[in-house]
Amino acid sequence: DADVTQTPRNRITKTGKRIMLECSQTKGHDRMYWYRQDPGLGLRLIYYSFDVKDINKGEISDGYSVSRQAQAKFSLSLESAIPNQTALYFCATRGLAGASNTGELFFGEGSRLTVL
Amino acid sequence: QQQVKQSPQSLIVQKGGISIINCAYENTAFDYFPWYQQFPGKGPALLIAIRPDVSEKKEGRFTISFNKSAKQFSLHIMDSQPGDSATYFCAARSGNFNKFYFGSGTKLNVKP
Repeated sequence: DADVTQTPRNRITKTGKRIMLECSQTKGHDRMYWYRQDPGLGLRLIYYSFDVKDINKGEISDGYSVSRQAQAKFSLSLESAIPNQTALYFCATRGLAGASNTGELFFGEGSRLTVL
Repeated sequence: QQQVKQSPQSLIVQKGGISIINCAYENTAFDYFPWYQQFPGKGPALLIAIRPDVSEKKEGRFTISFNKSAKQFSLHIMDSQPGDSATYFCAARSGNFNKFYFGSGTKLNVKP
């Protein structure tokens, strides 16, 4: 089983609909992130969370909201989807850097969202 | 404004050749510079990383060269193989808030 699981993997929706993308992890990491990937723009940070009570905006948070329901779960919501939110979305986790931990990001396999 | 600038956008290399991808940054607070490799349908995965107190790091066929004064770093793939065909992202971490900033990505195609 994947350490970082995203659902759904693919979703097609219409403008104005509310969409939720879910992420769960079994790595025991405190830090969780949502990124958006667009061709030619790389990965851009939407929101990040360092623990259940800590939520922070990233570079492109407008139009998005998040919820950290538990240490292992971090969901991304689009309250009213618009076509320019069509993208590939990635959830990532990170542990504390230490002797046996590089502090790297571990990504899920992505959720492809199409807004018509 | 992109914090990390990456080039080229795409790269075609013959099998056995050297692939070189370049990145540049401005923020001197960045303290960790990883490279991620992404295959189609998969999430990015860490390939190799370097800290700014080191000028070069090598792991197998993959080498990062780091020039702190020029604020540039590059990935070299020696003896490139078709299995290396993927999209590569450079990144930089902001130590203060533990945020990662990614380059725009380079799609590498290694021809057999």
